[in-house]
Amino acid sequence: DQQVKQNSPSLSVQEGRISILNCDYTNSMFDYFLWYKKYPAEGPTFLISISSIKDKNEDGRFTVFLNKSAKHLSLHIVPSQPGDSAVYFCAAKHGRGSTLGRLYFGRGTQLTVWP
Amino acid sequence: DTAVSQTPKYLVTQMGNDKSIKCEQNLGHDTMYWYKQDSKKFLKIMFSYNNKELIINETVPNRFSPKSPDKAHLNLHINSLELGDSAVYFCASSSGTGRNSPLHFGNGTRLTVT
Repeated sequence: DQQVKQNSPSLSVQEGRISILNCDYTNSMFDYFLWYKKYPAEGPTFLISISSIKDKNEDGRFTVFLNKSAKHLSLHIVPSQPGDSAVYFCAAKHGRGSTLGRLYFGRGTQLTVWP
Repeated sequence: DTAVSQTPKYLVTQMGNDKSIKCEQNLGHDTMYWYKQDSKKFLKIMFSYNNKELIINETVPNRFSPKSPDKAHLNLHINSLELGDSAVYFCASSSGTGRNSPLHFGNGTRLTVT
């Protein structure tokens, strides 16, 4: 049972345009959400996060939006650059009991930014 | 200076063998993890240690045994390897288990069982 879903396995965007990566979740207990970026042959690296008490968090070119009622979050990258080409993983967690510290990941979206 | 390093990067072995993957972090973190990325690209937690104490033990065959000699190291030993164990195994660490403690991952070990 996948509690975090990224339904688009790939996204192709022209350089300079906006990239929007989407993520849905099913567990209403999740209260913290993260995005990780992964290049080939490397481990995922933390990109940006958002707490469930917020609906937006911005860091430079990266903005994460959270819609709790829809159990949906999205990552916006503006402007997109070729170096942003990577797999982006959405992840979620909640700090309750035995699952403390556990991250639940989506299966990732491959973003390709072309010149 | 690699923050989370794991060795080997690639591991090819035959069914039935026993193998180990080593992980070390130099971030001073208290918590370490093993994640498995299967052929469908899902990243799933296997184990988590906090200050050398096992805190998460996901439903994993008991052929997999983690060992944490100190809080900077978390090794993974796998007995009687099976074809289905082929995957990429990621070690990770964090400063705690709270919400504001993002994971720092190693570069993964690609295990191929033939």
